[in-house]
Amino acid sequence: DTEVTQTPKHLVMGMTNKKSLKCEQHMGHRAMYWYKQKAKKPPELMFVYSYEKLSINESVPSRFSPECPNSSLLNLHLHALQPEDSALYLCASSQDTSYGYTFGSGTRLTVV
Amino acid sequence: GEDVEQSLFLSVREGDSSVINCTYTDSSSTYLYWYKQEPGAGLQLLTYIFSNMDMKQDQRLTVLLNKKDKHLSLRIADTQTGDSAIYFCAESIRSNYQLIWGAGTKLIIKP
Repeated sequence: DTEVTQTPKHLVMGMTNKKSLKCEQHMGHRAMYWYKQKAKKPPELMFVYSYEKLSINESVPSRFSPECPNSSLLNLHLHALQPEDSALYLCASSQDTSYGYTFGSGTRLTVV
Repeated sequence: GEDVEQSLFLSVREGDSSVINCTYTDSSSTYLYWYKQEPGAGLQLLTYIFSNMDMKQDQRLTVLLNKKDKHLSLRIADTQTGDSAIYFCAESIRSNYQLIWGAGTKLIIKP
């Protein structure tokens, strides 16, 4: 298995809703990432987990809450989002820092 | 600070070669990457090159690295309509999980 699987593919949520994005990989990668990408822009790093511990938080608002239940799973819990949070949310994983990331196909999030 | 620059658009005729260019500023780069993103899709790692290499070839793709000028290029031979996408250049620096990304080059294929 050489894929990163993200669910759901599309999500529409209201500003008072709570939802979660899920990411799974079975490549034995020890680093996992959440990125946010606006249309036609490069991805912006949000969080990095290394060996199931949060190692980087790029000053992301607390309405985004990451969780790494085990080495294969990564969640992003969403609460009280704003319309400007609408974007493509990408999960990625890597074995280490050397060989690039494997990205999932993303969750397209629309906040209404 | 670190910066990666790319031109925003490249238009080529089907069957011609495409050359997408990228410049970076941090001389401590360890690896440099090319990612492809098709409309509505995630990012696909196309190829990467270690900073002590000059060239890497993989089927239709050729990566050239000029360390002196801090210039990276991606050549796609015999460009096809399926190559239409945004191509991002990215660099990793030192032992850091973060990548520095270029703005992306949109490759447009003319029939």
